[in-house]
Amino acid sequence: AQTVTQSQPEMSVQEAETVTLSCTYDTSESDYYLFWYKQPPSRQMILVIRQEAYKQQNATENRFSVNFQKAAKSFSLKISDSQLGDAAMYFCARHFRRTGKSTFGDGTTLTVKP
Amino acid sequence: DTGVSQDPRHKITKRGQNVTFRCDPISEHNRLYWYRQTLGQGPEFLTYFQNEAQLEKSRLLSDRFSAERPKGSFSTLEIQRTEQGDSAMYLCASSLGTVMHGELFFGEGSRLTVL
Repeated sequence: AQTVTQSQPEMSVQEAETVTLSCTYDTSESDYYLFWYKQPPSRQMILVIRQEAYKQQNATENRFSVNFQKAAKSFSLKISDSQLGDAAMYFCARHFRRTGKSTFGDGTTLTVKP
Repeated sequence: DTGVSQDPRHKITKRGQNVTFRCDPISEHNRLYWYRQTLGQGPEFLTYFQNEAQLEKSRLLSDRFSAERPKGSFSTLEIQRTEQGDSAMYLCASSLGTVMHGELFFGEGSRLTVL
């Protein structure tokens, strides 16, 4: 099975500090997209950031940025200047354009300490 | 603008009963997905539609599960003869298939508890 792996079930960070969440994936497809989603407690999942696999430049969205290493099939999320509202479960996902299907990792629970 | 809505939000049922969940996607979205999420795990793909056509169905989905999207708008997910192992959060998501490839907009989910 082609999988998405998040090796850190839990992470914590001090408010205003930086934290990096890890994700690795496997794929036999060349046309795919990678995403990080955030799921706050008891709330719906929302998109944090996306990366097209054909783009070499790492995506950034305000305090969120990724480190995309295509050869290593690695896609980590860096959160800078962490805020209390960043506390949530974060899911890495891989989307195949050919099948239209997204596969998710098992998530990393991020705690932000004041 | 309303997002993806799911109904009911919570359902408690007895083993062996049938349950149906409804999902209303964002109106202009042509793709609709169903995922299942259990505690401590990521969403697990069940099936998805492009307009009214069901394009893929997970092999994990038994014959007790069926999904429809009759007019390419809302969708229903029915589980027949529920089992305790069906207890989970059922997530619906929609997307615009032609642009922003793969970005999913999720509903708040329908939590199923099978007693």
